[in-house]
Amino acid sequence: EIVLTQSPGTLSLSPGERATLSCRASQSVNSNYLAWYQQKPGQAPRLLIYGASSRATGIPDRFSGSGSGTDFSLTISRLEPEDFAVYSCQQYGSSPLTFGQGTKLEIK
Amino acid sequence: HVQLVQSGAEVKKPGASVKVSCKASGYTFTDYYMHWVRQAPGQGLEWMGWINPNSGGTNYGQKFQGRVTMTRDTSISAAYMELSSLGSDDTAVYYCSRGHYAWGLDYWGQGTLVTVSS
Repeated sequence: EIVLTQSPGTLSLSPGERATLSCRASQSVNSNYLAWYQQKPGQAPRLLIYGASSRATGIPDRFSGSGSGTDFSLTISRLEPEDFAVYSCQQYGSSPLTFGQGTKLEIK
Repeated sequence: HVQLVQSGAEVKKPGASVKVSCKASGYTFTDYYMHWVRQAPGQGLEWMGWINPNSGGTNYGQKFQGRVTMTRDTSISAAYMELSSLGSDDTAVYYCSRGHYAWGLDYWGQGTLVTVSS
């Protein structure tokens, strides 16, 4: 089973700042099948990025994903008020599918 | 547009079973796997398994083997997840999610809260 470790656990930033979130895998992710999800309280997760760097339909271009193999990151170029949420990475290249524990992005 | 609509909240006693439904619309039901993911209160997301609606084939996470059953009814584009021998640590929101081998989990149901309490 691939273990995904996200850092930091909590990130405190202000609107307009740049956010960089990290996701490290315990072994290489097949075909870089790594996704990022955003989740707000009381809501279902929302797919942001798939295939490590492709934006899902309707996702603003301030969200970008990068990385390969075992090291991945999600960058939000300029934070908007609606971006403060929990972000989780997931690998879907091998079974079982696994999620990271999440990074909470909070307003400073 | 794609929609996944799940059944309502459930309260169960320890040892009981629960069956959650997920009705799909807006796409060809048999073209995409359906995954089930759960989230305990204040915790992260946990993958439970998937069903191939076309063949009925399933793949369950090892943690849930022997306790979970995923089925589908293609005539009404619905998927089901049944979890047996419930314990208090099964209290969680259960989500269905459409899966694609290259795109990940691109659409999610609204979630179903299952509470296990004596």
